[in-house]
Amino acid sequence: NAGVTQTPKFQVLKTGQSMTLQCAQDMNHNSMYWYRQDPGMGLRLIYYSASEGTTDKGEVPNGYNVSRLNKREFSLRLESAAPSQTSVYFCASSVSGSPKTQYFGPGTRLLVL
Amino acid sequence: AQSVSQHNHHVILSEAASLELGCNYSYGGTVNLFWYVQYPGQHLQLLLKYFSGDPLVKGIKGFEAEFIKSKFSFNLRKPSVQWSDTAEYFCAVTSNQAGTALIFGKGTTLSVSS
Repeated sequence: NAGVTQTPKFQVLKTGQSMTLQCAQDMNHNSMYWYRQDPGMGLRLIYYSASEGTTDKGEVPNGYNVSRLNKREFSLRLESAAPSQTSVYFCASSVSGSPKTQYFGPGTRLLVL
Repeated sequence: AQSVSQHNHHVILSEAASLELGCNYSYGGTVNLFWYVQYPGQHLQLLLKYFSGDPLVKGIKGFEAEFIKSKFSFNLRKPSVQWSDTAEYFCAVTSNQAGTALIFGKGTTLSVSS
């Protein structure tokens, strides 16, 4: 039982390049989330998917797109990376309904030059 | 809109000192409250959570938190910290409504010297 896994662990991009961050969970959770973590800012929600087939914007969605590929996988895409998107990205998942605890992946450290 | 405020940005303690980290939230409805910990270079791990019932919640590694509804607070405590408690601590809140995400505070960095 791997929990929440993320790939890649680290990535360097040039401004304007695109990339997709992958996230998968094997806990049969319905809800999945993408956060970014910046120093002094805590974690901010980018997008979330309450259940398979649905996605919703969080606090900071600009510059990102998401795809809930199936129940297990939730990807985050940067179409044209900008230096302001340099951050650590965390994926999380939880059971549906409420109350719920979110379980986090190990993170992807992204540097945009 | 929900928000979470953590009052201390950086706390420095010696081993065996007592710890209290403040957390206040802004939300009028029923809430679920969490404390997460992030050790250096690692991902977030759940320390403890409050959903309902006894407002004094005990978590892992000797941590506890008290939910005081009238003060909209959920402060984290530990009677005696260890060097291994050095980490960043995040308070988070979510409403009791299905499909809502966590709102995190900005975090408190705890440094414990041996």
